[in-house]
Order: sequence, then structure tokens, then C-alpha cells
Amino acid sequence: DVKVTQSSRYLVKRTGEKVFLECVQDMDHENMFWYRQDPGLGLRLIYFSYDVKMKEKGDIPEGYSVSREKKERFSLILESASTNQTSMYLCASSLGNYNEQFFGPGTRLTVL
Amino acid sequence: SQQGEEDPQALSIQEGENATMNCSYKTSINNLQWYRQNSGRGLVHLILIRSNEREKHSGRLRVTLDTSKKSSSLLITASRAADTASYFCATGSYSNYQLIWGAGTKLIIKP
Repeated sequence: DVKVTQSSRYLVKRTGEKVFLECVQDMDHENMFWYRQDPGLGLRLIYFSYDVKMKEKGDIPEGYSVSREKKERFSLILESASTNQTSMYLCASSLGNYNEQFFGPGTRLTVL
Repeated sequence: SQQGEEDPQALSIQEGENATMNCSYKTSINNLQWYRQNSGRGLVHLILIRSNEREKHSGRLRVTLDTSKKSSSLLITASRAADTASYFCATGSYSNYQLIWGAGTKLIIKP
């Protein structure tokens, strides 16, 4: 069974802290994605990666960075967390472009 | 950027009834996909329909696509309490790695 896992289900951090969210997929997918989801706004793409060490900005990259050192792992980094980054963060992977995406369970991040 | 717009934003029906949700989009697409999200969890892919297809079925799900109107509908027949969830459409185009997502329809099935 295909699987995307995220390092935490719930996370509470303080303003200014550096935050790492990790995502691992076991499907050998080339593409990986980080989204944030807020009520009424749907899914907004933060960053995606189509290969190891490759990354592309999505719609809302400001305040975030990413790292993909290995094919199966895609990390989202909040360099200095702010309260407006309180959100649900979803990781996904896909085989090829514009194909079905497989999602992790999400990380609900609260920044105090 | 948001392309898909789901309609209605929320829908409440009795168990056993059919539920219909609509999705409109703006640009040319390669495919359109529907996903389900149960309360506060990750999304699950339901069905994909390609731009050269007009209708597709999967169990109790029926999806139609009208590329001339840039719209799609998702029909869930004989609804069950377990169908209570948010439903999202997402479009894939030839020019993008990414899917473009709508804001979702919240479906509530009343027992």
C-alpha cells in the first residue's frame, strides 16, 4: 500500500523559532509537494520538487524554504515562524506531472 | 493560484439521497481530478477524468466533464454517513507540474 508520512500530526512552536516539517514517501515518486490549507482558501502550493535537489516556488513561498536531498524525503522549513503561519500543512507526492497525488495525514502547526 | 471553483460551498442531505457537486475551471486542462478529505485529515484521490473523456464511473461515484463549458460534476449516489467530508476538484494542465485546486464543497450526510 502506498504511503506518505509526515513527521508530526500536531506541532506547537513559538514565534521566531525555526521549524522543520518532514515528509517521506515510499513510492519512488519524482514529484513532491508542500501545501498549506486554511479554512475557505482550499489548498495553496508552497513549494514543489520534481527531482532530487530541484525545487520550484509555488503560489505562496514567502517565509518558507525546502530541501530535497533524497528522492523519498522532502522537508519544509520555516526559517522564523510567525503567527500567520499557523495552518494545516499537507505533503503530497506524484508519479509524473499532473497525475494523481498521494497525501500524507497533515501536520497541524500552531505558532504562538 | 485557484482555478477550480466548487459549487455549492456546502451541501447537507439525508442519508440515501444523491449528492451532486460541481466544479468550474478557467484554462485548458489535461485532466480533472476529485479528492475527498475527511475532517482535518489528508486528501484521498477519488477519480480522474481525462480531457477526452465525458463520463467516468467508480462504484457509487459518477463524474462528468464538459470541456466546452469548462465544468465537471461529481455525483455520489445512495449517500452514506461515511460520505460526510469535503470534496475538492483539481485540474492538471499540460504546462504545469502542479495541480490547481478549488476551495472545496463540504458535504454533510444526515442520518
